[in-house]
Amino acid sequence: GIQVEQSPPDLILQEGANSTLRCNFSDSVNNLQWFHQNPWGQLINLFYIPSGTKQNGRLSATTVATERYSLLYISSSQTTDSGVYFCAVGPTGTASKLTFGTGTRLQVTL
Amino acid sequence: EPEVTQTPSHQVTQMGQEVILRCVPISNHLYFYWYRQILGQKVEFLVSFYNNEISEKSEIFDDQFSVERPDGSNFTLKIRSTKLEDSAMYFCASRNSGGNSPLHFGNGTRLTVT
Repeated sequence: GIQVEQSPPDLILQEGANSTLRCNFSDSVNNLQWFHQNPWGQLINLFYIPSGTKQNGRLSATTVATERYSLLYISSSQTTDSGVYFCAVGPTGTASKLTFGTGTRLQVTL
Repeated sequence: EPEVTQTPSHQVTQMGQEVILRCVPISNHLYFYWYRQILGQKVEFLVSFYNNEISEKSEIFDDQFSVERPDGSNFTLKIRSTKLEDSAMYFCASRNSGGNSPLHFGNGTRLTVT
């Protein structure tokens, strides 16, 4: 099956700093989503981005499908950004499941 | 905005007991999924369901697991005889069409098997 690798596995930032999280995948996809898992375990959908660039406030994401990677940018980080960020991809095909990466654990300190 | 709802949020059960986890997908969605996440690990696919039948399942989804859409709104996951290693967060998800649409996840049910 498709392989999804995320880097870095852990990241510690001071409040106000910027960061870039990376997701590499091994096959063609027609679905890519970024999630933030909060301390209560909820998966918050950040972006549906199988290709192109999107922005939502301090967050933005870019997927280069032809090169099989996606980037999540967090600017001016806040303590509420702490948690685990997951990239999940779905290969080409109907009703295809999402395969999750192992996540990036982000801790934002004061 | 419509959302996927899961109940209960937390369930504690004794080893060997049967549990049913419940989900109400978004009303016009056609594809349904269950995932699980063991504490500290990544989210793993269990099963997908479309047109009243399983369309794909993982190796985790053995004979102890079953899914059902008993009516037009609910989607359930049953574990027949729970084991300690079934302790995890279970997420339900749905989408309204095939590949080119996002999955919408519920808030999860945390299952603790003692």
